[in-house]
Amino acid sequence: RKEVEQDPGPFNVPEGATVAFNCTYSNSASQSFFWYRQDCRKEPKLLMSVYSSGNEDGRFTAQLNRASQYISLLIRDSKLSDSATYLCVVTANSGNTPLVFGKGTRLSVIA
Amino acid sequence: NAGVMQNPRHLVRRRGQEARLRCSPMKGHSHVYWYRQLPEEGLKFMVYLQKENIIDESGMPKERFSAEFPKEGPSILRIQQVVRGDSAAYFCASSQGANYGYTFGSGTRLTVV
Repeated sequence: RKEVEQDPGPFNVPEGATVAFNCTYSNSASQSFFWYRQDCRKEPKLLMSVYSSGNEDGRFTAQLNRASQYISLLIRDSKLSDSATYLCVVTANSGNTPLVFGKGTRLSVIA
Repeated sequence: NAGVMQNPRHLVRRRGQEARLRCSPMKGHSHVYWYRQLPEEGLKFMVYLQKENIIDESGMPKERFSAEFPKEGPSILRIQQVVRGDSAAYFCASSQGANYGYTFGSGTRLTVV
């Protein structure tokens, strides 16, 4: 089983749609969780951290379910500029463990 | 704050040559990570360094690849005797410490011809 699994997509949605991405992780010791965004041929950029209580940043909402080892990202009112690959990222909180990236889910928002 | 600086942005090498990729972390960041991304693939961890120390090199091939982060100067990822399969984007990231989010550089795209 891969450490971090994501549906690769692509998700093709119209502007204004709500879209949800899911991610599962295999290491139950994982403690830190993030969503990154990567545009084509660009570097990944931190979108948001994911907290146990869930957190929201504008149109973006992240949820964590530790029991199911499942993370989600919800994007409301999609914009054309949201088109990118969304990377689910986890790390164990054992001091010096590097971040583990999922392969990403590709989103295309269509006018 | 200039962010994480990587150079060169693009590097072309013939098979058998050496590739040297440089990374200067963000000001105040002492943790450097190198990742490789093959076309249509996810980022794969290679090595994690702090100043003068390799903390974790579990993702780095045992042969031909080496990394350093000297007391002064940038971190260097060195690939000796490159082969076509080394063609990829190599991203460097830095952070304030373990379990903080990373800031990535723009990457070096290595093409081996």
